[in-house]
Amino acid sequence: GEDVEQSLFLSVREGDSSVINCTYTDSSSTYLYWYKQEPGAGLQLLTYIFSNMDMKQDQRLTVLLNKKDKHLSLRIADTQTGDSAIYFCAESPGYGGSQGNLIFGKGTKLSVKP
Amino acid sequence: DAGVIQSPRHEVTEMGQEVTLRCKPISGHDYLFWYRQTMMRGLELLIYFNNNVPIDDSGMPEDRFSAKMPNASFSTLKIQPSEPRDSAVYFCASGGQGSYEQYFGPGTRLTVT
Repeated sequence: GEDVEQSLFLSVREGDSSVINCTYTDSSSTYLYWYKQEPGAGLQLLTYIFSNMDMKQDQRLTVLLNKKDKHLSLRIADTQTGDSAIYFCAESPGYGGSQGNLIFGKGTKLSVKP
Repeated sequence: DAGVIQSPRHEVTEMGQEVTLRCKPISGHDYLFWYRQTMMRGLELLIYFNNNVPIDDSGMPEDRFSAKMPNASFSTLKIQPSEPRDSAVYFCASGGQGSYEQYFGPGTRLTVT
């Protein structure tokens, strides 16, 4: 079945870059997502990438996709204390199209030290 | 739009009691999802609806769980009878046709003692 794996914790210093990694198993996934969850809140979409793309950049965020290795990463440049949150990687299985079942990883808790 | 609205935000109940969680999706969205989040299992999809019709309920853990969507602006997730292992944060999310994003509500934190 589908599975999404992420490391559980990452700690960085303010101003450094953060890189959060994710691996997934479903090669038919059409979209891959990064969601952010702040304490006590729901998940918020940060960015997504089509499976036919290698890279997507959006301000401080860079998403890299290695489809051969089924590896997705999120790089946050100039990490700020406000970036402290849990980051979820998710894949959308091919059968669901752009809607339907999202398979989430367990989330990576990013701690940013001043 | 106010976003996805969930109520209550917190619910504490005793084992064996019936619990009803409520969700109002964003107006105009065709899809509605119910998720459960726990430390051990992470975020799990329980069920989702398209145009008020349940499409996939394979994530519903047991017959004690049921979900309804009587109209486009309201859904409920009911647990009867509740058990301590049901304690979790339950999220509702909605999405529009052709959109890549699911919009999450703030969640309901359920504690069953």
